Amino acid sequence: GENVEQHPSTLSVQEGDSAVIKCTYSDSASNYFPWYKQELGKRPQLIIDIRSNVGEKKDQRIAVTLNKTAKHFSLHITETQPEDSAVYFCAASIKGYSTLTFGKGTMLLVSP
Amino acid sequence: GAVVSQHPSWVICKSGTSVKIECRSLDFQATTMFWYRQFPKQSLMLMATSNEGSKATYEQGVEKDKFLINHASLTLSTLTVTSAHPEDSSFYICSAISSGRAGDTQYFGPGTRLTVL
Repeated sequence: GENVEQHPSTLSVQEGDSAVIKCTYSDSASNYFPWYKQELGKRPQLIIDIRSNVGEKKDQRIAVTLNKTAKHFSLHITETQPEDSAVYFCAASIKGYSTLTFGKGTMLLVSP
Repeated sequence: GAVVSQHPSWVICKSGTSVKIECRSLDFQATTMFWYRQFPKQSLMLMATSNEGSKATYEQGVEKDKFLINHASLTLSTLTVTSAHPEDSSFYICSAISSGRAGDTQYFGPGTRLTVL
């Protein structure tokens, strides 16, 4: 089955800096890669996703890049703010199968 | 985005009792819902896939007789933790698939915090 690795497990940045979280996946058939943000005790919120027919997608301060050859994808957050502090999860799934395989999560801490 | 609700948001019960958790898709129909369990500071672990009108599919290591899943309608799936024990204490989160033009997107419920005494 699919295996998703996520790094780093924790990331501390200063407000205004950029943050990058990286994930790799094992199943070359995977073609849907969402990113979720989860605040303590709350539900995971979809923040951005990418499908395998594109290499990059951007939404304001958030961007995701995908390298299908290398089987890795990354989340980029620019101009970080304290409210970006949360746990971020990457995930992967195969077209036609909705089951998501999650990475272990990255705790992002943005200091003022 | 699509809205998924979950009830109750938290529950405390005695060891040996059963607890039912409801997951509803509020503004869309979901033939497929998922149940996850999340322990503190850990990732979401898929427990089972709930399919409307058919039996749930359980992940390896998840006891189907302990975690009963019923997906009776296109907007409701229930998870019943039977004979709960302290080790079942966890954050249980459901999700539902919303199908759009770009493809399927999974939306999560707010979770249910279960504490078994």
